[in-house]
Amino acid sequence: HLQLQESGPGLVKPSETLSLTCTVSGGSISSSTYYWVWVRQPPGKGLEWMGSISYSGTTYYRSSLKSRVTLSVDTSTNQFSLKLSSVTAADTAVYYCGRLITGATGNYFDPWGQGTLVTVSS
Amino acid sequence: EIVLTQSPGTLSLSPGERATLSCRASQSVGSSLGWYQQKPGQAPRLLIYGASSRATGIPDRFSGSGSGTDFTLTISRLEPEDFAVYYCQNLGNFGQGTRLEIK
Repeated sequence: HLQLQESGPGLVKPSETLSLTCTVSGGSISSSTYYWVWVRQPPGKGLEWMGSISYSGTTYYRSSLKSRVTLSVDTSTNQFSLKLSSVTAADTAVYYCGRLITGATGNYFDPWGQGTLVTVSS
Repeated sequence: EIVLTQSPGTLSLSPGERATLSCRASQSVGSSLGWYQQKPGQAPRLLIYGASSRATGIPDRFSGSGSGTDFTLTISRLEPEDFAVYYCQNLGNFGQGTRLEIK
């Protein structure tokens, strides 16, 4: 079955760029049926969708983050990545990658990676 | 942007009881609503999609209903493992969550 795993630094300094990679296993990232997403969750708070990317590189970003977020995909390694620039303490969160299933009944996130905590601190 | 408002914020019930969680959308979303369960330290898990369809492997004690702006997630008989936080979702928007705790 499909599994996703986030990787990247757990500590980032303010004003720097947060970079995370999601490795997809048990299936191909190169499917036109799905998008691939990043969702974050600040400690003790709710879920925030950040952006989505297709295997061909089509992207959609949350409007409030659009100026700072970049998603990319590498089909040769079955990975997709997140870059968030100019981070502040407010960007401290657990970052999840996931698959976005799109269809007539709507768009849903399934499955999710286990999540990785990124702390922004000097 | 569609705003999803969940109620109550916290629900205190005992195992074996019935749980009813609500999600209201600021404008009609048709039947395009999902429900997720999140346990401490774990990623969310998709329970319901299309407002009323159970995801793969989800027990039939979980059911969803509603359309338009008002939706309900019902857990018919609570099991100990059901105590968690539940989120509703439409497109890139999530509700703020309902915490289901043991009474």
